[in-house]
Amino acid sequence: EVQLVESGGGLVQPGRSLKLSCLASGFTFSNYGMNWIRQAPGKGLEWVASISSSSSYIYYADTVKGRFTISRDNAKNTLYLQMTSLRSEDTALYYCARHQIPGFYFDYWGQGVMVTVSS
Amino acid sequence: DIVMTQTPSSQAVSAGEKVTMSCKSSQSLLYSENKKNYLAWYQQKPGQSPKLLISWASTRESGVPDRFIGSGSGTDFTLTISSVQAEDLAVYYCEQYYDTPYTFGAGTKLELK
Repeated sequence: EVQLVESGGGLVQPGRSLKLSCLASGFTFSNYGMNWIRQAPGKGLEWVASISSSSSYIYYADTVKGRFTISRDNAKNTLYLQMTSLRSEDTALYYCARHQIPGFYFDYWGQGVMVTVSS
Repeated sequence: DIVMTQTPSSQAVSAGEKVTMSCKSSQSLLYSENKKNYLAWYQQKPGQSPKLLISWASTRESGVPDRFIGSGSGTDFTLTISSVQAEDLAVYYCEQYYDTPYTFGAGTKLELK
């Protein structure tokens, strides 16, 4: 069974940093591209970043480019999102999601981890 | 960026009804080389993560009931639920994966009449 379990969220002050993790199991992690997608409270879905299976290709939404860094450790079956210079508008539930090849549709999602940016 | 517009934003339905919802993209999602539409549909129930229902505009995922039907091409897409069940009450999102940034519609919320 495919499982994606996010961790690392919490309350953080504006301008500070936070690092999210997503532990994958139930599939060969190194064969799949992975993503972070967020959902602000009561709002819709916003794709944040993608990374290919070997980390060769990385893409970001303009809203986080230069502030967030997506990475992965295939030996640890873990996806990361390093978030810096956090803003109140980054407050959201952050989902880790796997994408299929070809096609960036997201076939498995984690349960999400909440990030709240507030003073 | 490709803008995805979903209508209606909410819809009140009764069990057994046929439901249709629309998703329009600001540019074509049909890739000429493979004739595939880069459009997916997701279902999100309250307090849950989104669940993939349909990819490539009309390919139902394994385990998704056949009452969920995706159709359309180019810029106009439709998700039809042939006979709504109580467990289908949720928000439905379309997503384009034709180009980055991958973008979602704002969602259509199905509510009980």
